[in-house]
Amino acid sequence: GAVVSQHPSWVICKSGTSVKIECRSLDFQATTMFWYRQFPKQSLMLMATSNEGSKATYEQGVEKDKFLINHASLTLSTLTVTSAHPEDSSFYICSARAGTTIYNEQFFGPGTRLTVL
Amino acid sequence: AQKITQTQPGMFVQEKEAVTLDCTYDTSDPSYGLFWYKQPSSGEMIFLIYQGSYDQQNATEGRYSLNFQKARKSANLVISASQLGDSAMYFCAMREPGGTGRRALTFGSGTRLQVQP
Repeated sequence: GAVVSQHPSWVICKSGTSVKIECRSLDFQATTMFWYRQFPKQSLMLMATSNEGSKATYEQGVEKDKFLINHASLTLSTLTVTSAHPEDSSFYICSARAGTTIYNEQFFGPGTRLTVL
Repeated sequence: AQKITQTQPGMFVQEKEAVTLDCTYDTSDPSYGLFWYKQPSSGEMIFLIYQGSYDQQNATEGRYSLNFQKARKSANLVISASQLGDSAMYFCAMREPGGTGRRALTFGSGTRLQVQP
């Protein structure tokens, strides 16, 4: 299957700092990238959908000014957690799709574990 | 209303036995896709199997099969001949068509499967 990478795989930061997470599709062009958040022992919750060259669409309850998403190219999307606080500590997973049909599989990155002290 | 419901928070199965993980879904779209993913403790999401709403036959992939009952809106995952390496969280997910066809996967709450020797 196609490969999606995420960097970093884990990060620890102080409260109030900003953290950037990169998501790359390594061997395909992703028409759409998705960002999910997963708290311990819970399911994946969609945060936002981003399409290359356009503004991300955020899910209800997700602060767009806090979670900045930039989809700069067909192979790269970044999520920046601005002024992070301990409650932002979570597992962030990106996912990428190459097409628009129902079937097109979503390929997931390995995730980034964020801990805010 | 929940789009995807997984009623079994945890399941135990003996090695080499078969196990069924339940999933029911709710949609009014006639066209949709159903997916199962495995998430080991490392956090990566591993695609297992896909079923399209118009598929006539139940999907199978190696030891995984999907018991698709459209009228009941259920898509149960059957794992045959369980192995110790099957111990993980299992998520059922659905994609419905959106205006742009770029809808994200919606996940159930997951089932933690533990395979016992």
